[in-house]
Amino acid sequence: NAGVMQNPRHLVRRRGQEARLRCSPMKGHSHVYWYRQLPEEGLKFMVYLQKENIIDESGMPKERFSAEFPKEGPSILRIQQVVRGDSAAYFCASSPAGRPGANVLTFGAGSRLTVL
Amino acid sequence: AQSVTQLGSHVSVSEGALVLLRCNYSSSVPPYLFWYVQYPNQGLQLLLKYTSAATLVKGINGFEAEFKKSETSFHLTKPSAHMSDAAEYFCAVSDPHTDKLIFGTGTRLQVFP
Repeated sequence: NAGVMQNPRHLVRRRGQEARLRCSPMKGHSHVYWYRQLPEEGLKFMVYLQKENIIDESGMPKERFSAEFPKEGPSILRIQQVVRGDSAAYFCASSPAGRPGANVLTFGAGSRLTVL
Repeated sequence: AQSVTQLGSHVSVSEGALVLLRCNYSSSVPPYLFWYVQYPNQGLQLLLKYTSAATLVKGINGFEAEFKKSETSFHLTKPSAHMSDAAEYFCAVSDPHTDKLIFGTGTRLQVFP
């Protein structure tokens, strides 16, 4: 019973390139959350998605960042035209439907983006 | 709006000493509260959660936390620290309408021999 799978674990991009981070939620989980952890900082919420729907994107930068969770396949966090400030660890978490607020988020191991 | 405050970004204890990591919350509704641990270069692992049942919550690895409504606190404790407890600890409160977690800034625990 695999947990939350994120890939790649490490990604290096040059300024101006695109970064795509993938997240497969736990089996049976239909809700996906993306968080960003900057060096020496806590985790900041970015976006919450259900299948084919963005529910809450209040933490997403308005430009260059987008997320999707298609009917089939993993959730993808896409960062266009990366800048050095995008260097961070990006964590995906998933939870099941039902009992909102009380469910435990299960986290993946993270994708570490380095922008040169 | 929900929020949590973790006092002390770094805590150092000797092996065998009491561990106390502080967390205060702000919530407009009865909160659901969580403690997560993050080991270096890894994801977050749930230590324990409070969801309005018993106020003293026992978690993994000997950790426990007590929900005190009068103090709006949810401090994490462990009677005797072990070297393997060295990690970053995050307190979080969940949005009551989703499972979105709002995290504190974290406390890095160091354990000295």
